[in-house]
Amino acid sequence: SAVISQKPSRDICQRGTSLTIQCQVDSQVTMMFWYRQQPGQSLTLIATANQGSEATYESGFVIDKFPISRPNLTFSTLTVSNMSPEDSSIYLCSGGRDPDNEQFFGPGTRLTVL
Amino acid sequence: AQSVTQPDIHITVSEGASLELRCNYSYGATPYLFWYVQSPGQGLQLLLKYFSGDTLVQGIKGFEAEFKRSQSSFNLRKPSVHWSDAAEYFCAVGRNNDMRFGAGTRLTVKP
Repeated sequence: SAVISQKPSRDICQRGTSLTIQCQVDSQVTMMFWYRQQPGQSLTLIATANQGSEATYESGFVIDKFPISRPNLTFSTLTVSNMSPEDSSIYLCSGGRDPDNEQFFGPGTRLTVL
Repeated sequence: AQSVTQPDIHITVSEGASLELRCNYSYGATPYLFWYVQSPGQGLQLLLKYFSGDTLVQGIKGFEAEFKRSQSSFNLRKPSVHWSDAAEYFCAVGRNNDMRFGAGTRLTVKP
């Protein structure tokens, strides 16, 4: 297994600003992912964070809005740019070692945009 | 395209009663199936997973799930629910870095 931590755990931000969320894994993982969970809803994959290269984004998500970095096998960041109230969500980081095996999830970052 | 359906948005059971949470999936090949639990303010914790072999899988916290290929189902069960089981439960299907989650079932446990 892997233990994943995220910072910050929650934040309240003003419209038009940006927030960077950090995700730290206690051991190396092959894959890292970023999800969004809107209030009362399921998880939607934003992107796969690739080490040393650009992230792979899902349909409906773009790099300008959600830039992602992954400098090594244990760390990744997600930035939510030019925020609007519609970006208010829980953002979850996950990691895995095997493409066909389970993902381990962080506790999430609860973002509120005013 | 792969998808997961959890027909029950909210279920209420009495403490000590049995529980079954439904999950149906659509997948073009042999699916890898997962059940996760999310307690309020927490991330997702894996309860159990199915890749192949015995279609009845045992998980943590006394949960089990049964894979039924003919029904495209992977229902989660527990014989006796505890108050601490109150949470959101997500079924997921995925392979090759592509995991899809159901909408979730919120479980309330009555004393």
